[in-house]
Amino acid sequence: AQSVTQLGSHVSVSEGALVLLRCNYSSSVPPYLFWYVQYPNQGLQLLLKYTTGATLVKGINGFEAEFKKSETSFHLTKPSAHMSDAAEYFCAVRRYSGGGADGLTFGKGTHLIIQP
Amino acid sequence: ETGVTQSPTHLIKTRGQQVTLRCSSQSGHNTVSWYQQALGQGPQFIFQYYREEENGRGNFPPRFSGLQFPNYSSELNVNALELDDSALYLCASSLGSRGVVERGYTFGSGTRLTVV
Repeated sequence: AQSVTQLGSHVSVSEGALVLLRCNYSSSVPPYLFWYVQYPNQGLQLLLKYTTGATLVKGINGFEAEFKKSETSFHLTKPSAHMSDAAEYFCAVRRYSGGGADGLTFGKGTHLIIQP
Repeated sequence: ETGVTQSPTHLIKTRGQQVTLRCSSQSGHNTVSWYQQALGQGPQFIFQYYREEENGRGNFPPRFSGLQFPNYSSELNVNALELDDSALYLCASSLGSRGVVERGYTFGSGTRLTVV
């Protein structure tokens, strides 16, 4: 089975400061990993994904994440926070059932607060 | 290209009733998955449909059922509604045999279901 743990239900940073959102995963097969962002009363928007290949993945809005197999981690970073980054962030891993891959398993989310 | 659209956006039902939620996939996508997101939680995978057949299911009871139509749109049906079914229901579409996650899943904005 696959699972995701997001450390910190709330993270607060100052505008212009580094953003670091932590995600650790568990997977019995090589993982496909994702970060999604959710703004209030909206659906999920894909920030970035790791499937195979380069372990440093760049996404939209200046975000990036690094896949570290030895640490089973896929932390999300952004060098300089902007007020518009305030939102809920979800880390996810692709599910595998008996018949193959289906759907995503999400973490509980991290609420990012940007202080002016 | 059009994105994923869900209807209705909000719905109030009484305990014991039945509800049908609808989803139109992104153009060109042939796989649809559904998720339940309770307040303050990450989305939970309900099931996935590929070419009109269910090909993956999460830990949800049989009263949660679905359909996918030849045009790849989809419905989620929930019978005998319970208070705990109150949540945001998200639909996601993708392309491939079991969801080609290399391209990620595109999510709709969801249907907010309230059971009273």
